Amino acid sequence: NAGVMQNPRHLVRRRGQEARLRCSPMKGHSHVYWYRQLPEEGLKFMVYLQKENIIDESGMPKERFSAEFPKEGPSILRIQQVVRGDSAAYFCASSPGWDLAKNIQYFGAGTRLSVL
Amino acid sequence: AQSVTQLGSHVSVSEGALVLLRCNYSSSVPPYLFWYVQYPNQGLQLLLKYTSAATLVKGINGFEAEFKKSETSFHLTKPSAHMSDAAEYFCAVSEKSGGSNYKLTFGKGTLLTVNP
Repeated sequence: NAGVMQNPRHLVRRRGQEARLRCSPMKGHSHVYWYRQLPEEGLKFMVYLQKENIIDESGMPKERFSAEFPKEGPSILRIQQVVRGDSAAYFCASSPGWDLAKNIQYFGAGTRLSVL
Repeated sequence: AQSVTQLGSHVSVSEGALVLLRCNYSSSVPPYLFWYVQYPNQGLQLLLKYTSAATLVKGINGFEAEFKKSETSFHLTKPSAHMSDAAEYFCAVSEKSGGSNYKLTFGKGTLLTVNP
């Protein structure tokens, strides 16, 4: 959905570098989700944030990965000391936060991370 | 935890033929179910959703899906395939993510090929 903006679309990093992925949710949406899509697999939930709060990070790897959604500005997914296994497409989604069970999430076009 | 199984990672049909993409879910509570479509190098677009109203749900682009509780299924169909339907299709279930919050659990996806 064009309303959720992710940048960059493509990101190339060498092993050991840091990757920062940005996501601006749709206007009026206060809930942000990050998903990772590995080759030949579906999307796997990573983390769910509201403004200034991490609600659920049960899908985040224990080390090197962090996420934030500050009061002002986009949500950031940060991967420190990247390894080849981090190569994947990372998708951000947002929802307005009401009627959460029906939870229609609107997805960005993704950031494709390649680790050399 | 909820889970989603999509039978057949790759389905090939002829243009004009029936499209049937299978999805089975496991859920201990009445589920909310979704089908998303992903075109190459793009994000996910919502096709349709089931949120406990009518069991036959109509979506965009002529797709529909039927919720069958007894079979725990939510198969996606389209009477007549079009070349533009070639894409990857993901079934997802909404799952609690702490408190009153929810996240999506996806199947592994089905790649639909449409032959002329």
